[in-house]
Amino acid sequence: DVKVTQSSRYLVKRTGEKVFLECVQDMDHENMFWYRQDPGLGLRLIYFSYDVKMKEKGDIPEGYSVSREKKERFSLILESASTNQTSMYLCASSPTGLPRFNYGYTFGSGTRLTVV
Amino acid sequence: KNQVEQSPQSLIILEGKNCTLQCNYTVSPFSNLRWYKQDTGRGPVSLTIMTFSENTKSNGRYTATLDADTKQSSLHITASQLSDSASYICVVSAGGADGLTFGKGTHLIIQP
Repeated sequence: DVKVTQSSRYLVKRTGEKVFLECVQDMDHENMFWYRQDPGLGLRLIYFSYDVKMKEKGDIPEGYSVSREKKERFSLILESASTNQTSMYLCASSPTGLPRFNYGYTFGSGTRLTVV
Repeated sequence: KNQVEQSPQSLIILEGKNCTLQCNYTVSPFSNLRWYKQDTGRGPVSLTIMTFSENTKSNGRYTATLDADTKQSSLHITASQLSDSASYICVVSAGGADGLTFGKGTHLIIQP
């Protein structure tokens, strides 16, 4: 069974801390994504990557950065966590192909981050 | 601007009853439409995916329909079970590099 694994289900961090959210996929997918999900707002794209060491800004990249050093791993970094970054974070991956973002889109189980 | 609107926002039905969730979209160009089920505190799981030429697709008790002319889709759940309690998210793809447009979901509660 194909999997997208997020390292933590729940995290509590203090304001100003540097936070790393890790995502690993075992499907050899080229494309990986980070979303945040908030009540009433739905899923919003933070960053995505279509290849190792490549990254593209999504709709709400401010306050976040990402790292893709290996194909299977995509990390989301909160340089200085703030309370407005309290949210559910979802990682997803998809295989390449035309159109590249449309097939086999698989989500991880999510990380519920609370910044206090 | 690409948009996906879902209705109702929330729905409560009794176990064993049927229900239909709606999705209207203005995404253009259209590539495909997906329905996801998201249990509380978990990531979304794909139920169906439909391209332009597909009108209906079923996955067990879930049946999705698509009318590409009116830009509407529905998800029909037959003989609901308690495990169907979840949020159902409609996602439409324009096929471009900017990915997918998500609806805000319908929160479904099945009562015994």
